Amino acid sequence: GAGVSQSPRYKVAKRGQDVALRCDPISGHVSLFWYQQALGQGPEFLTYFQNEAQLDKSGLPSDRFFAERPEGSVSTLKIQRTQQEDSAVYLCASSLVGAGVNTEAFFGQGTRLTVV
Amino acid sequence: DQQVKQNSPSLSVQEGRISILNCDYTNSMFDYFLWYKKYPAEGPTFLISISSIKDKNEDGRFTVFLNKSAKHLSLHIVPSQPGDSAVYFCAASWNTGNQFYFGTGTSLTVIP
Repeated sequence: GAGVSQSPRYKVAKRGQDVALRCDPISGHVSLFWYQQALGQGPEFLTYFQNEAQLDKSGLPSDRFFAERPEGSVSTLKIQRTQQEDSAVYLCASSLVGAGVNTEAFFGQGTRLTVV
Repeated sequence: DQQVKQNSPSLSVQEGRISILNCDYTNSMFDYFLWYKKYPAEGPTFLISISSIKDKNEDGRFTVFLNKSAKHLSLHIVPSQPGDSAVYFCAASWNTGNQFYFGTGTSLTVIP
């Protein structure tokens, strides 16, 4: 596809359940970012990949959050033992070049996670 | 600690008039600034950017102004159209950083 694709669009999880969120970046894009957006807030950084290397995971809120991009393309954000405070929209973005070379990132539509 | 701030949560403008959205930042390391537009239930869409070596960048109806000494940037939309109604996010990064820092957004309503 032409843009960043995320699935599922919506996910309802029972508290304590594990979830996996998928991101298909734009083909050929080197950089991939995950952001969390709470209601009424701006996107908050979670983690950054350059190809398959996770270069920055400083924004992951706890060790329940794990992200991978094993072949440098598709990425998965996994949340273990979900809590109500994990309810948010999870946004994935990709950019053509590595971070640090200032350029725009393109966002997917996001996955809205609701933990009940 | 919010490094990028958008102090106006909402703005209403008449169609055809100018919309001015403001953004302030605190980190002097930022050297690249972006504006994103977001419709409900969609991801943010890139609108326009500016490097810190410039003080103005224009793209059609959209112009971004950067005042480095004041650590302030603004987005001007002229003329405003009803389709511009959306939430606008300001974002910033620096050339050795790994992330974009976002403001909390300004909801623009253009009244027909």
